Amino acid sequence: GGIITQTPKFLIGQEGQKLTLKCQQNFNHDTMYWYRQDSGKGLRLIYYSITENDLQKGDLSEGYDASREKKSSFSLTVTSAQKNEMAVFLCASSIRGSEQFFGPGTRLTVL
Amino acid sequence: GDSVTQTEGQVTVSESKSLIINCTYSTTSIAYPNLFWYVRYPGEGLQLLLKVITAGQKGSSRGFEATYNKETTSFHLQKASVQESDSAVYYCALAPNTDKVVFGTGTRLQVSP
Repeated sequence: GGIITQTPKFLIGQEGQKLTLKCQQNFNHDTMYWYRQDSGKGLRLIYYSITENDLQKGDLSEGYDASREKKSSFSLTVTSAQKNEMAVFLCASSIRGSEQFFGPGTRLTVL
Repeated sequence: GDSVTQTEGQVTVSESKSLIINCTYSTTSIAYPNLFWYVRYPGEGLQLLLKVITAGQKGSSRGFEATYNKETTSFHLQKASVQESDSAVYYCALAPNTDKVVFGTGTRLQVSP
């Protein structure tokens, strides 16, 4: 089996700050994803990548950048944190067309 | 576009009773998308519960079943007799293509003893 690791587990930032979330997977999957989950809402796709150095925008990409420099890692940057923002960011990976495997999440709080 | 609707945000069921969690979908991308149920147990990460890739087929796992109904565009999750350990958040999802998955808003199941 494999595992997806997300760092940090908790992230506290200031308004306007640039914040970076990291994700590592050892499944050797080609495709990786970043989702945002707000309380009471479903998962919304921010970015995904179907291979190293590929980036595809999801429905919620505005305000975020992503980077896939290695097959095993996928980073997400919040370009300017919004005051009072609170959400959980989930990373996932998959073989194309198959089930997604999820990490434990990073919980973001912006003061 | 593509969307998944789960009408119940929370469901409370007594132990040993039957359960149905509703899910309907809409897609303009592909005639027969892959359909999934994912689950998040307390303290754990989101994980696949079951999937069905062929219209008309039924998927099952851990006593749960879901049938892919293309006529009603539904994929309801059912269980004949729930246990306390089934308490979790359940997400219906569809894959309109090989890369993207669209999730519903989730249904929190609380099983009371």
